[in-house]
Amino acid sequence: DTEVTQTPKHLVMGMTNKKSLKCEQHMGHRAMYWYKQKAKKPPELMFVYSYEKLSINESVPSRFSPECPNSSLLNLHLHALQPEDSALYLCASSQFPGLEARSSYNEQFFGPGTRLTVL
Amino acid sequence: GESVGLHLPTLSVQEGDNSIINCAYSNSASDYFIWYKQESGKGPQFIIDIRSNMDKRQGQRVTVLLNKTVKHLSLQIAATQPGDSAVYFCAENSRYSGGYQKVTFGIGTKLQVIP
Repeated sequence: DTEVTQTPKHLVMGMTNKKSLKCEQHMGHRAMYWYKQKAKKPPELMFVYSYEKLSINESVPSRFSPECPNSSLLNLHLHALQPEDSALYLCASSQFPGLEARSSYNEQFFGPGTRLTVL
Repeated sequence: GESVGLHLPTLSVQEGDNSIINCAYSNSASDYFIWYKQESGKGPQFIIDIRSNMDKRQGQRVTVLLNKTVKHLSLQIAATQPGDSAVYFCAENSRYSGGYQKVTFGIGTKLQVIP
């Protein structure tokens, strides 16, 4: 299995709702990432998990709360979002978080994303 | 032709011709440069990478050129096919102080293949 899966594919939520995005990989990768991509823009890194621990938070507002229950799963909990948070949320994984692979590029595999609309 | 403005930069190419997509990067400390392809409704897909101590690398129908002097990266696609239509992102791989990998994407170029 060489893919990253994300659910749901589409999500519409109100500003007072609480929802969660899910990401799963079965490649044995030990690093997982959340990216946000606005229309016609490049993906922007939000969070990095390394060996199931949050390693990097790119100054993301607290209304986004990541969680890594185990090495295969990554969640993004959403609460009190704003309309400007509407975007494609991409999950990615890589074999290593970068610490070990000092001599080679540590390829990131991306899921298809969740298209989020906040009303 | 190529256009830049309010919309994503777009490159239109006739099927069978070669495509060249250009990218400027900013971080001279980046150790790898990567090209990703993103088709509509999908996540980015890795195409090819090049290490910072190289100036050229070839893959199947694709070649990446790196010019560190002017911080410029290009992707050449030979014999462009309709399936090559997508948005192409160049990306820089650098590292946080703790050694964790960070991939920073460029603005992207939309490639349109004309049948």
